[in-house]
Amino acid sequence: SAVISQKPSRDICQRGTSLTIQCQVDSQVTMMFWYRQQPGQSLTLIATANQGSEATYESGFVIDKFPISRPNLTFSTLTVSNMSPEDSSIYLCSVGDSDYEQYFGPGTRLTVT
Amino acid sequence: DAKTTQPPSMDCAEGRAANLPCNHSTISGNEYVYWYRQIHSQGPQYIIHGLKNNETNEMASLIITEDRKSSTLILPHATLRDTAVYYCIVKSNTGKLIFGQGTTLQVKP
Repeated sequence: SAVISQKPSRDICQRGTSLTIQCQVDSQVTMMFWYRQQPGQSLTLIATANQGSEATYESGFVIDKFPISRPNLTFSTLTVSNMSPEDSSIYLCSVGDSDYEQYFGPGTRLTVT
Repeated sequence: DAKTTQPPSMDCAEGRAANLPCNHSTISGNEYVYWYRQIHSQGPQYIIHGLKNNETNEMASLIITEDRKSSTLILPHATLRDTAVYYCIVKSNTGKLIFGQGTTLQVKP
């Protein structure tokens, strides 16, 4: 199984600012995904990020608000731009290293004040 | 994407088997059923997945009905550490995992 780390693990940010979350995997993976989990809710897929192509966003999420980079097969970043308190969530990176298996990072807990 | 339906919560006595049901009546023939769990404040943990045959690993067993419209996750001897939210997911052909609301399993001493 892939080992995934995220930085930062948590942060408190002021509204109007931006935060970039990093996701590092210990092996090369084709598919990477970013999820959001709002307080008390299930996970919602934000986008799929495959190396060498633009990220594909789910309905309700746009690139201007959540720009994503995927420079290589072991790393990705998600930026939460122009934050508001509604962006307070846990943001999770997930990777798929085969057609069948998908693993999740520990998450980044973001609080916007 | 095929949707799943799970009971919002269940209780189980410690040491007993926990049987978590899931309905996925719109599943397509080549879509897999996945189970994950999320212990409070942690990332989801993969448990098991299957297509149409029953599956077993060191964590759990997955029983899929013959028509594939429902499945049951079985934790054979539940412990307090199995208290978590359990998600049944039908993985789409695009490879995406779309989470529903899951079942909150409370294992009681």
